[in-house]
Amino acid sequence: AQKITQTQPGMFVQEKEAVTLDCTYDTSDQSYGLFWYKQPSSGEMIFLIYQGSYDEQNATEGRYSLNFQKARKSANLVISASQLGDSAMYFCAMREGPFGNEKLTFGTGTRLTIIP
Amino acid sequence: DAGVIQSPRHEVTEMGQEVTLRCKPISGHDYLFWYRQTMMRGLELLIYFNNNVPIDDSGMPEDRFSAKMPNASFSTLKIQPSEPRDSAVYFCASTGLAAYNEQFFGPGTRLTVL
Repeated sequence: AQKITQTQPGMFVQEKEAVTLDCTYDTSDQSYGLFWYKQPSSGEMIFLIYQGSYDEQNATEGRYSLNFQKARKSANLVISASQLGDSAMYFCAMREGPFGNEKLTFGTGTRLTIIP
Repeated sequence: DAGVIQSPRHEVTEMGQEVTLRCKPISGHDYLFWYRQTMMRGLELLIYFNNNVPIDDSGMPEDRFSAKMPNASFSTLKIQPSEPRDSAVYFCASTGLAAYNEQFFGPGTRLTVL
């Protein structure tokens, strides 16, 4: 089974609208972390947001928030008020196990295109 | 801080040649990671180091690939001999206790093996 599943290969969203990018994960560990990275067309990987499995509050970073539903094993990224610069590939990733195991497993990504 | 530095940024070589990719992590970071990104396989971890010691190399595809970290500020990923299927973007990333929840990625090296 895939550890990280991103079911939306591509999305088109009107500028200024909110967008939700889906991510589900599979782990038997109690301690894990979930990440979202952005990869613009220039190719660099940019960290956006992190959610720990024991965090009770959903993580937020500016216009980014992570909708963490532990029972459903989902960690969707929500971008509010989308901008043209948000057009990029978005990757969900997971780190399993306690501190010290730093291996990240990435999903296949979602290509987001913001339409003016 | 200069961020993670990778060299070269682009490498074109012929099948059978040795390729060496280089990485300088962010100063003070004690974890270093090598990733490979392809259209077919996505972004996959090859190997990572903690305090210059390899911790998990289960993602290294085969014996043609080797990675070293002789000191805290330098790592290499070597492919010998290279094959066309090794063509990919290779990323180096680093993190440390102070930035535990974020891996900082370098700009990547785009490798083309003809």
